[in-house]
This record gives sequence, C-alpha cells and structure tokens, in this order.
Amino acid sequence: GAVVSQHPSWVICKSGTSVKIECRSLDFQATTMFWYRQFPKQSLMLMATSNEGSKATYEQGVEKDKFLINHASLTLSTLTVTSAHPEDSSFYICSAFMGREQNQPQHFGDGTRLSIL
Amino acid sequence: KQEVTQIPAALSVPEGENLVLNCSFTDSAIYNLQWFRQDPGKGLTSLLLIQSSQREQTSGRLNASLDKSSGRSTLYIAASQPGDSATYLCAPQTSGSRLTFGEGTQLTVNP
Repeated sequence: GAVVSQHPSWVICKSGTSVKIECRSLDFQATTMFWYRQFPKQSLMLMATSNEGSKATYEQGVEKDKFLINHASLTLSTLTVTSAHPEDSSFYICSAFMGREQNQPQHFGDGTRLSIL
Repeated sequence: KQEVTQIPAALSVPEGENLVLNCSFTDSAIYNLQWFRQDPGKGLTSLLLIQSSQREQTSGRLNASLDKSSGRSTLYIAASQPGDSATYLCAPQTSGSRLTFGEGTQLTVNP
C-alpha cells in the first residue's frame, strides 16, 4: 500500500531554532501534500496545502512566514518552523494525496513531535 | 465551514462487545469520508473510505455506513479486542481534497 515517510519523528530544540520536517511519498507521486498540527487531546487541524511546483496555500490564522513549506518534487514536501518558540511545540503530521481525483484517500505519515525548550 | 462532531468522546467496554461510534458533519457536499485510527503519539492509520455514492464499506470486523444527506456516519466494530484500543477519527473530504477531522472517540477495550 501507499507509504508516507516523515522525518524526524521527534525533535527537541532550544527556543529560536529553526526546524525542518520532511514528508516523503515512498511508492507514489504526490501532487498534493497536506500539513496538519495536533495539540494534546485535540484533533488534527489543517495548516496548509502543498502543491508540487507552486506556492503552498495556508489556512486562516497560520503564519506563512513562520511555517515555510516547500514542495520541490513529486515525492518530497518540507515544513520549516522558523524561530520556533515553546508555543510551537506540537505534533506535526503530513499526508499525501495520491492522485488527481478527489475521491482518493489521503495517506498519513507517522508524525513529528516537536518540543521547544 | 465543515464542522465534525464525534460521539461519544470516550468509550470503555469489555472485550468481545460490539460497539458503534458516531460521526456527524454539517456540510453534506462531500466527496468521501474516511475513518482513521490513531494510537497514542502516532500518526493516522486509514481504516475505511466511503465514497459519497456509497452507503457502507466493510473491512474485517469493521463496518462503516454513510448517510450523506443527513450528515452522519457510523463505525461499527464487531467483537472488540484489546488491540482495538485507540482514538478513532472520522474525516469527511470536501472540495480541494480538504479533510476536516472530528475530535475523535477514545476507545478502551478491557481484557
């Protein structure tokens, strides 16, 4: 089945550091990838939609200058949390959309737990 | 804006029981609806996907139904096992391939 790999799985760093998270589709080409954030005891909230070769579309309230998204190839999207602060500590999950039809499932990575000290 | 509600928020049952998890959504203009399982600290595992034209889907002990017009879906788990313990999330998909998640039902199956 379709596999999405997310790296790293856990990051602990100091406040002010920039952190890059990678999301790869391992056995299919992903024209669209999604980035979600999940705070403890809460559900997943969509942050942005990443389209290969074009700018990401950010959800209302998500700072595009703080959460930089790059989708340079059909198998890789990256999320960079710039100048991270403790309030950015969260569980970040990416998903990949396999095809162009809107009735296809999304496949999720295993997530990255980000802890900012 | 799509809003998703899942009931109950938490459920604790003895092993072997059949159980039903409920999901309701406000915008019925969906392409499909997915049910996911999330283990603590982990990502999501897709369980079932129901297309908007379908009424139900089955996979092993899991059966999901969809009533698109009334904005409801249910996940039926037969003969529950301790390994079924997890948080179950439903997510209808609307335009732009957007998934909107409910807050989930936290299921505990006791041996």
